Amino acid sequence: AQKVTQAQTEISVVEKEDVTLDCVYETRDTTYYLFWYKQPPSGELVFLIRRNSFDEQNEISGRYSWNFQKSTSSFNFTITASQVVDSAVYFCALSEAGYGGATNKLIFGTGTLLAVQP
Amino acid sequence: DGGITQSPKYLFRKEGQNVTLSCEQNLNHDAMYWYRQDPGQGLRLIYYSQIVNDFQKGDIAEGYSVSREKKESFPLTVTSAQKNPTAFYLCASAGFSSYNEQFFGPGTRLTVL
Repeated sequence: AQKVTQAQTEISVVEKEDVTLDCVYETRDTTYYLFWYKQPPSGELVFLIRRNSFDEQNEISGRYSWNFQKSTSSFNFTITASQVVDSAVYFCALSEAGYGGATNKLIFGTGTLLAVQP
Repeated sequence: DGGITQSPKYLFRKEGQNVTLSCEQNLNHDAMYWYRQDPGQGLRLIYYSQIVNDFQKGDIAEGYSVSREKKESFPLTVTSAQKNPTAFYLCASAGFSSYNEQFFGPGTRLTVL
């Protein structure tokens, strides 16, 4: 069965600190996708990144970076020099990759609430 | 503007009443999804639809019903059979070219009085 675990329920940091959000997944599929979404207080989920299982290259986008390691089934997310606007709930999600792609469900972790204090 | 709209943003219902949540998308996406979010439990899939006039149950379909008569619309009815309907409901859609990336609406917060 597919499963996503985000062990950190809440994290509180002071502005400008670096913070890493952990994500561990389980799947028997050899082809799958991993995602990170941000949910600000307004409630709408905002897509941050998608990774497929064949691409273990780490990615950096501004202050955000992602570390994908198949050997440990982890897809961790780091925010460098955090800002108050980063305060949100962050979800990691997993999806199998099938024909057409869009027909497959996302399995979400329980989310990590990040609070960045000024 | 392309996107997903959900209405209403806040909804109050008396016990025993059915209520329908609206979800519309103009992204020309084939697949649409309904999720329920409770505090500390992440998002759980209620129903999803891959094509018009077809839909499948998700993990927590009991007490809910859906229809998919048009590609753009996927309304969710919360019936009186749903024992604990107070929650935040999110609708999402995805296209075949988007590699499973789902786009989300702003959500509807349902409260049962």
